[in-house]
Amino acid sequence: AQSVTQLGSHVSVSEGALVLLRCNYSSSVPPYLFWYVQYPNQGLQLLLKYTSAATLVKGINGFEAEFKKSETSFHLTKPSAHMSDAAEYFCAVTGYNQGGKLIFGQGTELSVKP
Amino acid sequence: EAGVTQFPSHSVIEKGQTVTLRCDPISGHDNLYWYRRVMGKEIKFLLHFVKESKQDESGMPNNRFLAERTGGTYSTLKVQPAELEDSGVYFCASSRDSGVDTGELFFGEGSRLTVL
Repeated sequence: AQSVTQLGSHVSVSEGALVLLRCNYSSSVPPYLFWYVQYPNQGLQLLLKYTSAATLVKGINGFEAEFKKSETSFHLTKPSAHMSDAAEYFCAVTGYNQGGKLIFGQGTELSVKP
Repeated sequence: EAGVTQFPSHSVIEKGQTVTLRCDPISGHDNLYWYRRVMGKEIKFLLHFVKESKQDESGMPNNRFLAERTGGTYSTLKVQPAELEDSGVYFCASSRDSGVDTGELFFGEGSRLTVL
């Protein structure tokens, strides 16, 4: 069985500040992990993914995430927030050979204050 | 290249009525998925088509939901009769490969369903 927990349904940061969105997972098989972002009135867009290669994964728009097996975590970070980063972010997990059957967390709404 | 398109963007119906949601995947994508997000909850998998065949429909809530993918192109998701708890946003996604290590899911904007 697999599950994802995103800590904090709402996170607010100031423009230029560090963004840290937390994701912990549970998986009985080696996990594949993803971060998706949904901007207002748009579909979900893949930010980055971990599929058992490098544990530090770099994605689009300056985001990165680090897979930590010992902590069962896959937190998303960005050194400096921009106003355009305001969106909802989803962490998701799946396993090998499970295709596109993703298990999502509940989402974290990121607000960026000027 | 056109993305995944969904129609309608928003549907408001009465309890007991029928609604049909449509999804047009990216051309050439054999894999098509339906997901649903009930308000305040996480996005949940409903089912997966490979071309016209249902590969996995383990997430379908009950037999009031019927998904089809005629000819392996667009897909429809019918809810009949609709209940209040069916309200939410229905997402469609497509991918060229079914393995997540080789491809990614491309999501549509979603169809918001409100059942009154």
